[in-house]
Amino acid sequence: AQTVTQSQPEMSVQEAETVTLSCTYDTSESNYYLFWYKQPPSRQMILVIRQEAYKQQNATENRFSVNFQKAAKSFSLKISDSQLGDTAMYFCAFANNAGNMLTFGGGTRLMVKP
Amino acid sequence: EAGVAQSPRYKIIEKRQSVAFWCNPISGHATLYWYQQILGQGPKLLIQFQNNGVVDDSQLPKDRFSAERLKGVDSTLKIQPAKLEDSAVYLCASSFSGRLNTGELFFGEGSRLTVL
Repeated sequence: AQTVTQSQPEMSVQEAETVTLSCTYDTSESNYYLFWYKQPPSRQMILVIRQEAYKQQNATENRFSVNFQKAAKSFSLKISDSQLGDTAMYFCAFANNAGNMLTFGGGTRLMVKP
Repeated sequence: EAGVAQSPRYKIIEKRQSVAFWCNPISGHATLYWYQQILGQGPKLLIQFQNNGVVDDSQLPKDRFSAERLKGVDSTLKIQPAKLEDSAVYLCASSFSGRLNTGELFFGEGSRLTVL
């Protein structure tokens, strides 16, 4: 079974600065999919960024980018130019090669301070 | 485009009572998921439907939880009898194909259950 670990329960960052959220996972599969989801307070969870394990290039979506280290089974999320609206819970998630069986980490609560 | 609809948003019951949650996925989405999110934890999959068939219910406590998606559209999750440890947010999500490598998973706002 796959496991996803987020070792930072809470983090804070000043507005306009950069923050990195950590995620590690464990799997025996060679191909799989990794995701970061954002869950704002009292609002629904939304997909932030997706990475396919067979692609070496790190995914980027505007201010959000990942550092995918396959050998280390590490998948961190970098948020540049942090904005107040980035305040949320962030969940790292893993899907198997078939693209199902989504497993979530425990989450990191990010607070962006003005 | 309407999102995933869930009701009720909040429910407070006493232990041993029953409760039901309803979910209407995005139109055209074949796959529907129910997740349980206990405070401070990540969501845990309870059951996954593909149209009106169950794909995975391995983590559903079948002695007290049941779910159905009779017409392959909306779904109901029931808990009977509820226990204190069932206090959580119940998230419904849907996707077009169930293959998350090609499509997104869309979540509803959740139904928050408090068992006293």
